[in-house]
Amino acid sequence: EAQVTQNPRYLITVTGKKLTVTCSQNMNHEYMSWYRQDPGLGLRQIYYSMNVEVTDKGDVPEGYKVSRKEKRNFPLILESPSPNQTSLYFCASQIRFFSGEGYTFGSGTRLTVV
Amino acid sequence: GENVEQHPSTLSVQEGDSAVIKCTYSDSASNYFPWYKQELGKRPQLIIDIRSNVGEKKDQRIAVTLNKTAKHFSLHITETQPEDSAVYFCAAILMDSNYQLIWGAGTKLIIKP
Repeated sequence: EAQVTQNPRYLITVTGKKLTVTCSQNMNHEYMSWYRQDPGLGLRQIYYSMNVEVTDKGDVPEGYKVSRKEKRNFPLILESPSPNQTSLYFCASQIRFFSGEGYTFGSGTRLTVV
Repeated sequence: GENVEQHPSTLSVQEGDSAVIKCTYSDSASNYFPWYKQELGKRPQLIIDIRSNVGEKKDQRIAVTLNKTAKHFSLHITETQPEDSAVYFCAAILMDSNYQLIWGAGTKLIIKP
């Protein structure tokens, strides 16, 4: 089944403890992206990647890192999480940028930083 | 930078009635406008999209209209059903810039039985 897989689905962590949220897609998509979703603010893009080894900042990149060493994986790294990074995170992929087929989203990761 | 405003933030309609959600965008170069539906606790899913060379697109009970002059586009849902209850997001993409998809803040659609 074609899908975007995120892990974990839920995570509670403490301030300052490095964490990684994984994202993997099995559709050979070139384009991948990370979003955070907060009430009243909709979806805000954190980082995106047009292809392997090509990443760029979105609207809210501060406090996050990403890497794209292989096509299928696009992990989101929080080096020193803070409470304002408590949010619902979505990974999304697209066959290539603006393929006209829309994004496929992962199931989401609900992160709580205490 | 580009901005997408979405209204209303909450919309409550009687089952069987129509629902309309409107979005306006700021950059006239935008030329692709998708709509996503997010059911409670689930991921957003693309339901319909439109490109700037088309004024209207329909898919069964849903339709999207685009007014390039006024820089707004709308989602129309007819004969609403309980399963239409969800949060709907509009978005616009600027093709000639850094390819970011700019999202509206979302509309919570409530279908009353």
